[in-house]
Parts: sequence; C-alpha cells; structure tokens
Amino acid sequence: IAGITQAPTSQILAAGRRMTLRCTQDMRHNAMYWYRQDLGLGLRLIHYSNTAGTTGKGEVPDGYSVSRANTDDFPLTLASAVPSQTSVYFCASSEGDSNEQFFGPGTRLTVL
Amino acid sequence: GQNIDQPTEMTATEGAIVQINCTYQTSGFNGLFWYQQHAGEAPTFLSYNVLDGLEEKGRFSSFLSRSKGYSYLLLKELQMKDSASYLCAVIESNYQLIWGAGTKLIIKP
Repeated sequence: IAGITQAPTSQILAAGRRMTLRCTQDMRHNAMYWYRQDLGLGLRLIHYSNTAGTTGKGEVPDGYSVSRANTDDFPLTLASAVPSQTSVYFCASSEGDSNEQFFGPGTRLTVL
Repeated sequence: GQNIDQPTEMTATEGAIVQINCTYQTSGFNGLFWYQQHAGEAPTFLSYNVLDGLEEKGRFSSFLSRSKGYSYLLLKELQMKDSASYLCAVIESNYQLIWGAGTKLIIKP
C-alpha cells in the first residue's frame, strides 16, 4: 500500500441498506477524516479522528458513524442509506491537525 | 458564520497568467491551504500560508492577507494540464478545515 486507499471505488446501493466504506493509510498519520463532495458545494466534513481511539463529528454527521480502532483504518458506515447520501466520499489523513491532508481516490456512492 | 468565497469558474489562455481569489470569514484562523483537483480525482496539496505574504513554488504562488481575510493563487505560464478545480480551505481556531466550493479553471489553447 502506498499512501491512502479506499474501497469500494464505486457502489450502487438500495435505500435502507447498510454500507461501510473502507479507508486505510500506511503513513502512520494520527489524524483521519471523512468528507463528502457534492456538485457546487465544497468538501464537507462528516467525521474525523485526531488519534486512534477517538472520533469527532464534523459539519454533516447525521446518518453516518465511524470507528478508529487502530492508526491505519477509519471505516465510515451508513446504517440505513438514503438517496440524499448519494455523493463522492473522500477519506483523508494528516500528520497533525494543522498539516497538509492527503486524500484517498474517493468512493462514488449512489443510493437509489 | 463561516464562509469561503471563490469564483465558480475562470477561463485563461495557455501560456498566460491567472489569479484565483479566495475571501474568507471563519471562526479564527490557523492557516490557509490551496489544493488542486482534476476532474474525477482526489484533491492534491499545492500550498499552505499561515503568515502574511507571498509563498512561491515554481509556477504557482500563493498570497495571504490575514487582516483582509483574503488569499490568491497565482498560476504562471499556464499549461493545458492546469485545467482543474482549485480549492481554498481555511483551518479554523478549532483546527477543523473549512473548504470553499472551488474554482474551475479552463485553459484554452
């Protein structure tokens, strides 16, 4: 692994289904983030984690949950998907909260 | 409230210079980033400013005025590959990053 990876690349999901987006980094960064990006809007922070074992809510956390059991992994779960969660999801990591963020390639999610 | 403003779209000619402006009103300030994002790809880091003034990095420069809540990204000797969206983001006092919607830059031959 080089940098930060996300899986799946894309997914079409029926409304009401549960879905987990995976994110893994190998840079030993303390901080990790989940964003969604929608046309005409800036990246919006969903949840973040400043260090393993801690998580926090961002700007748009409703309908999403995260966990940070170790430094490398930061999965994002949609408990019951709704069409408004159709978006491109980016995971990112940084050494600290003032440092440059490195982004994964993104997951394109469509909820029907 | 928090707000970051950038032009939605700009057009420039290959070989020319373009300046992309960003104004912000945020809860505190701990730095400002510029990122580049090509269509269908992830954002990639371009520059970071925390003190007033100009930071130059090759063909790209970024300027910050904290008192005016203003930054710009200057791209010189434009190339077709510079066609992308340019995102301005501010680190607030709680160290969360607030993002502008981005400026789509179209380069014409």
